[in-house]
Amino acid sequence: DGGITQSPKYLFRKEGQNVTLSCEQNLNHDAMYWYRQDPGQGLRLIYYSQIVNDFQKGDIAEGYSVSREKKESFPLTVTSAQKNPTAFYLCASSMLDRGLADTQYFGPGTRLTVL
Amino acid sequence: AQKITQTQPGMFVQEKEAVTLDCTYDTSDPSYGLFWYKQPSSGEMIFLIYQGSYDQQNATEGRYSLNFQKARKSANLVISASQLGDSAMYFCAMRENTGFQKLVFGTGTRLLVSP
Repeated sequence: DGGITQSPKYLFRKEGQNVTLSCEQNLNHDAMYWYRQDPGQGLRLIYYSQIVNDFQKGDIAEGYSVSREKKESFPLTVTSAQKNPTAFYLCASSMLDRGLADTQYFGPGTRLTVL
Repeated sequence: AQKITQTQPGMFVQEKEAVTLDCTYDTSDPSYGLFWYKQPSSGEMIFLIYQGSYDQQNATEGRYSLNFQKARKSANLVISASQLGDSAMYFCAMRENTGFQKLVFGTGTRLLVSP
């Protein structure tokens, strides 16, 4: 089945530790995205990548890092520099062939809790 | 300024009735796209429907329709014949035709469908 997978589903981290969230897609989508969702809030863009080996900062990139070494994979590292990392993290992907109508499809999310 | 406004934090509807979820947006760009997503308690964001600013007709997808009123800058989601499985958070999002064309999300409306 085609889709987007994220792992782990739940992640606990001690303060001062870096953690990496996995995102894989087999939809052959060009673009991939990372969003953060806080309670009662909409989604905010952390990073996005339109092509392998290239990525751009979104609205809240501070304290996060990404890589895009393969088209299928876009891991997100939450570093110790992120002041308030407890949140729900969603990965998405899309084609880039319909302009405004490019639809982003989402993975199941990873809930990160800092202890 | 808030780009996407969803003023209803929560809505209740009885099974088999129709419900309208409000969304207003703010843009000076004549070319833009509007999306609705559903987020069940599992967390995954599910794409429902898309409306382009130049589309002549309101978008429909099964039981979902988008009541697009361009002059009022509103893009309300109408769900007909509500089902228990429609209980979820619903997010409106917009993409403008500038730069990267990122998606901007509203804060969501929680819909509860009762038997």
